[in-house]
Amino acid sequence: NAGVTQTPKFQVLKTGQSMTLQCAQDMNHNSMYWYRQDPGMGLRLIYYSASEGTTDKGEVPNGYNVSRLNKREFSLRLESAAPSQTSVYFCASSRDRWTEAFFGQGTRLTVV
Amino acid sequence: AQSVTQPDIHITVSEGASLELRCNYSYGATPYLFWYVQSPGQGLQLLLKYFSGDTLVQGIKGFEAEFKRSQSSFNLRKPSVHWSDAAEYFCAVGETGSARQLTFGSGTQLTVLP
Repeated sequence: NAGVTQTPKFQVLKTGQSMTLQCAQDMNHNSMYWYRQDPGMGLRLIYYSASEGTTDKGEVPNGYNVSRLNKREFSLRLESAAPSQTSVYFCASSRDRWTEAFFGQGTRLTVV
Repeated sequence: AQSVTQPDIHITVSEGASLELRCNYSYGATPYLFWYVQSPGQGLQLLLKYFSGDTLVQGIKGFEAEFKRSQSSFNLRKPSVHWSDAAEYFCAVGETGSARQLTFGSGTQLTVLP
């Protein structure tokens, strides 16, 4: 029962470097999400994909891009990492937009 | 826009004591409401949810929550806390009939004393 799988679990980047966070779910869910978690701020939505082939901005999309590669996979790309993007990133999926979300284990990203 | 407030940043209780975590939301229509728990280094796990119907909902691990429309609240309760309940708890609200997604509160960190 894998659920939502994120890779990598930890990453350190230098300012200006790029990287892609990978996310895959095996629950045949339609909707997928990327959140970032910062101390005292809860989780904030970066981007989401309500269904395969669609993506939309969330609350804090600046500096990020996403790709819904297929129904299973939803990647998050940082083109030019900045220290302000140091955070824990969570991928989640749900059957549809109005049911509960299932979360991955998170990626702890540090930008130096 | 919808918003969620968890007024208590940190709560400490003794093992065996009762627990209530507060959650207030701001939303015009009937919201979808959730409580999630996050153990250290882990992702979020759903404890319970409210969509409609009975305003008292039961969840996993002995938790329950009550939706009170008049107070715009969805407080989480447990009659007797176990040491394993120490974690961070997040309330979240979903917007019905919309493409927008969950809005999370800032979380309440629960410490359980032996």
